[in-house]
Amino acid sequence: QKEVEQDPGPLSVPEGAIVSLNCTYSNSAFQYFMWYRQYSRKGPELLMYTYSSGNKEDGRFTAQVDKSSKYISLFIRDSQPSDSATYLCAFNSGGGADGLTFGKGTHLIIQP
Amino acid sequence: SAVISQKPSRDICQRGTSLTIQCQVDSQVTMMFWYRQQPGQSLTLIATANQGSEATYESGFVIDKFPISRPNLTFSTLTVSNMSPEDSSIYLCSVVVRGETQYFGPGTRLLVL
Repeated sequence: QKEVEQDPGPLSVPEGAIVSLNCTYSNSAFQYFMWYRQYSRKGPELLMYTYSSGNKEDGRFTAQVDKSSKYISLFIRDSQPSDSATYLCAFNSGGGADGLTFGKGTHLIIQP
Repeated sequence: SAVISQKPSRDICQRGTSLTIQCQVDSQVTMMFWYRQQPGQSLTLIATANQGSEATYESGFVIDKFPISRPNLTFSTLTVSNMSPEDSSIYLCSVVVRGETQYFGPGTRLLVL
């Protein structure tokens, strides 16, 4: 079993739709959960960071963590063409002190 | 966050040669990391580079192949030594700001022929 599973897509949705991106993980030591956005030929950009189960909202983005199921999600409301990118989930056990374990990324396309 | 730059942004190299990648941060940071992003693969941690100590390498990565320097709190280098086509990848540095999570540089795109 891979440590992190993430559907690579591509996921294509119409502009304005709600997007749901998901990752599952197997390492119970993971306590910090992140979502990064990566545009083509750019470095990953931090979108969301949380360390507790439940929801965290920031603008159009909501991160959801279910530690009991080892499942995290990122929801994007009112999706825009500018949201078209690859979305990476990332995990670690020690917060800022540890390197990150990444999913392969989901390629998202928002159709105008 | 922090402003992170990497040099070179891209390069094409011949097998058997070495390339040194630079990572510069606009503020002092204690923890810095180097990652590799191979085509179609996850970002993979190569090593942790803290100022004042030897770099710590992840399983599958060795110092002879990927020597790292961290001379001060704003700068680090990663060298890819004796390159082969399998080393073709994007190499990224990241830094920890305010003890929280990591911010990434733009990456160095390396093609080995």
